Amino acid sequence: AIQMTQSPSSLSASVGDRVIITCRASLGIRNELGWYQQKPGTAPKLLIYAASNLEDGVPSRFSGSGSGTDFTLTISGLQPEDFGTYYCLHDYNYPLTFGPGTKVDIK
Amino acid sequence: EVQLVESGGGLVQPGGSLRLSCAASGFTFRSVYMNWVRQAPGKGLEWVATIREDGTEKHYADSVWGRFTISRDNANNSLSLQMNSLRAEDTAVYYCVRDRGYCRGGTCYAAFDSWGQGTLVTVSS
Repeated sequence: AIQMTQSPSSLSASVGDRVIITCRASLGIRNELGWYQQKPGTAPKLLIYAASNLEDGVPSRFSGSGSGTDFTLTISGLQPEDFGTYYCLHDYNYPLTFGPGTKVDIK
Repeated sequence: EVQLVESGGGLVQPGGSLRLSCAASGFTFRSVYMNWVRQAPGKGLEWVATIREDGTEKHYADSVWGRFTISRDNANNSLSLQMNSLRAEDTAVYYCVRDRGYCRGGTCYAAFDSWGQGTLVTVSS
């Protein structure tokens, strides 16, 4: 099974900061990766699919990039409502695997 | 409006069985892949199982293979997860998840765009 790692595991940033979260796959997965945001006590929300496609309704400050084994989620201008935990998910083959998550706090 | 409503969670003893259900509405259920994703208390997300639109293809996480069975009833817009031989490590919130899918250039990508509110399964004696 393909293993997914994320870094950092947590971060604290100020409103307006640029935040970058990385996700690495143990094997090449082309661009078959999505990003999800989860706030405490709620279901996850789709942000990005196919590595770089922004889901409808998601603010344009979120962007995704990468291919192969290395991917990034960038928040350009962190907002107070962006707190939560961010997960990557590969869909290259089965079993699908989520990354362990990156917890984002607002300073 | 897309709605996914899970039911069937609860407390069960180790070795026991439980059947989760998910009622879907607001979209053409028979046209999308469906999934179960779980989250143990205080832990990250874990993909559990996927079923193809017509139910002919199913995939499972290694951790549940041989114990869990995913199924769907397209006539009644419902998804199920039969869970047998339950273990303490199966304790989690279970989410019913729609995969809207996105296809381009001969490749189809997952897009888990709609999630239910989750149902808690607790395996304990």
